[in-house]
Amino acid sequence: KAGVTQTPRYLIKTRGQQVTLSCSPISGHRSVSWYQQTPGQGLQFLFEYFSETQRNKGNFPGRFSGRQFSNSRSEMNVSTLELGDSALYLCASSLGGSAVTGELFFGEGSRLTVL
Amino acid sequence: DAKTTQPNSMESNEEEPVHLPCNHSTISGTDYIHWYRQLPSQGPEYVIHGLTSNVNNRMASLAIAEDRKSSTLILHRATLRDAAVYYCILRDVGTQGGSEKLVFGKGTKLTVNP
Repeated sequence: KAGVTQTPRYLIKTRGQQVTLSCSPISGHRSVSWYQQTPGQGLQFLFEYFSETQRNKGNFPGRFSGRQFSNSRSEMNVSTLELGDSALYLCASSLGGSAVTGELFFGEGSRLTVL
Repeated sequence: DAKTTQPNSMESNEEEPVHLPCNHSTISGTDYIHWYRQLPSQGPEYVIHGLTSNVNNRMASLAIAEDRKSSTLILHRATLRDAAVYYCILRDVGTQGGSEKLVFGKGTKLTVNP
């Protein structure tokens, strides 16, 4: 079965712009979570959506937002981009039924460069 | 979030066993121990998880100390494809409403020599 698909894989933006990243989870998975990975901070949790509702949120400013559609596909948006937003953004999907046994499946990420 | 401590890096030779340690002295009774790994230019990949008993799967084994304050991920025969950053993560079974939040530390960068 198809894995987690993230688009676009690479993108370049300038400061002040906004960006929307997309994530298509594995078929049947209802949970989608987003992570930011930078060399300095490592992997940091952004937020998680389950059945179109945000279930958990990390410590990121309000410029970072997301949503989930009825087909479980998710998008995240970053407004007013800053240089520090340059990172690899990873999406992970899971069945979401149990926080313990749910194995997370990660996509390959969207690499954002802010100039 | 409960914290884990791992060595920054380890080296191994191909086809030899590798023991990757993780300390989690503040683990609570409801924390499961999960391991993920991240190969270069890829997203993290689930390896194994356990609560109290040792666990085995096709990828690795997980040995959990009796007091649960430490655990060891065992790769029985390292291959070049096992070169990755390995993350030890605690997940709380008691998280309200369920949550797929993972708290990643710095992990251990494993180098496998041919």
